Amino acid sequence: DAGVTQSPTHLIKTRGQQVTLRCSPKSGHDTVSWYQQALGQGPQFIFQYYEEEERQRGNFPDRFSGHQFPNYSSELNVNALLLGDSALYLCASSATTEAFFGQGTRLTVV
Amino acid sequence: QQQVKQSPQSLIVQKGGISIINCAYENTAFDYFPWYQQFPGKGPALLIAIRPDVSEKKEGRFTISFNKSAKQFSLHIMDSQPGDSATYFCAASKGGGNKLTFGTGTQLKVEL
Repeated sequence: DAGVTQSPTHLIKTRGQQVTLRCSPKSGHDTVSWYQQALGQGPQFIFQYYEEEERQRGNFPDRFSGHQFPNYSSELNVNALLLGDSALYLCASSATTEAFFGQGTRLTVV
Repeated sequence: QQQVKQSPQSLIVQKGGISIINCAYENTAFDYFPWYQQFPGKGPALLIAIRPDVSEKKEGRFTISFNKSAKQFSLHIMDSQPGDSATYFCAASKGGGNKLTFGTGTQLKVEL
């Protein structure tokens, strides 16, 4: 079992650009959540996808959007990047109760 | 509004000692309380979790104590080892698997 896999591992983007991050959930998991973790902080919930629909959303602007595919994999898109979007972006998958995280994508906006 | 408060921010424990990290929550609708361990450059790894219908749960060297009336829960790491040196996060959610609200983290260092 490969666990939760995210790509890419690192990414550098310029302010104003758009970025897409990808996540493959753990085998057997149908729910994917995305979190943003700033340096030295706890992860902050962005949104959750289940059955290809956004089920819950945290306090993030519409510049943050996502998608879930029929195979349960997911993408996180961020438009009009700001310097403050620099963070570790984490994907978590779950089937019922326990949420398992991937290694994250380190996004740096310059 | 910070719904889960975690303390201390950092902790130094001698090898073999007990590490204790505390969390307090505000939302009484929370019914699932996991603890995660995170090493630098890695994603959080689930350590142990508890539901409010029990006051204590033990898995190996890790124990969660839960006080529903005080809205507090804590992680105890017995016989702490240098390999336990990491950042620990408490979290809470309403319905496991849903949106997790994390504490601010505790950086633990276990010294020889």
